[in-house]
Amino acid sequence: GQNIDQPTEMTATEGAIVQINCTYQTSGFNGLFWYQQHAGEAPTFLSYNVLDGLEEKGRFSSFLSRSKGYSYLLLKELQMKDSASYLCAPWDSGAGSYQLTFGKGTKLSVIP
Amino acid sequence: GAVVSQHPSRVICKSGTSVKIECRSLDFQATTMFWYRQFPKKSLMLMATSNEGSKATYEQGVEKDKFLINHASLTLSTLTVTSAHPEDSSFYICSARPLQATTNEKLFFGSGTQLSVL
Repeated sequence: GQNIDQPTEMTATEGAIVQINCTYQTSGFNGLFWYQQHAGEAPTFLSYNVLDGLEEKGRFSSFLSRSKGYSYLLLKELQMKDSASYLCAPWDSGAGSYQLTFGKGTKLSVIP
Repeated sequence: GAVVSQHPSRVICKSGTSVKIECRSLDFQATTMFWYRQFPKKSLMLMATSNEGSKATYEQGVEKDKFLINHASLTLSTLTVTSAHPEDSSFYICSARPLQATTNEKLFFGSGTQLSVL
């Protein structure tokens, strides 16, 4: 099984930067995904990291350290529409198939 | 980009009835589809993995006789909630893995189905 830990809630100001951390334990590791989910909607893909380091994509960046079982999602220039839950999802290759287990998500509230 | 259509988006039913949810990959073939359930303010929980032409693999604690999954073609998987009860009320989401998925392929999600059992 997996143990995925991320903060339950965070609040940040519009225009600011916020970092959402995620720690995980997997029996096998084949990469880590971050998804954004607005209330009542399906998740949308944000990023995928398989190698150590920082992947930058516009306002969003994602970092991975495989040896530490640690990842973070960095959101810059926050906008009100960024208020959503952010799900950390490691891909456990030990499960034998392409399946993701999602963390409980971090609910981000962006305030003016 | 690839599109997964999930239908219906919302359904209200009486306790004891059955509800079928469809998940279609519109512009790609998917050998594997996944079904998730999400209760309010909770994480997505994988219910089962559906493989075309074979029986679904259910996660621990998910009743296979209650949640019937059929994956009859490379573009369609269905989830039927049989004899639904109020505790089955939840948000159900499917996702599909393209046939040509590589190691860094991402899943494509349906838009979800909000099931309310009265």
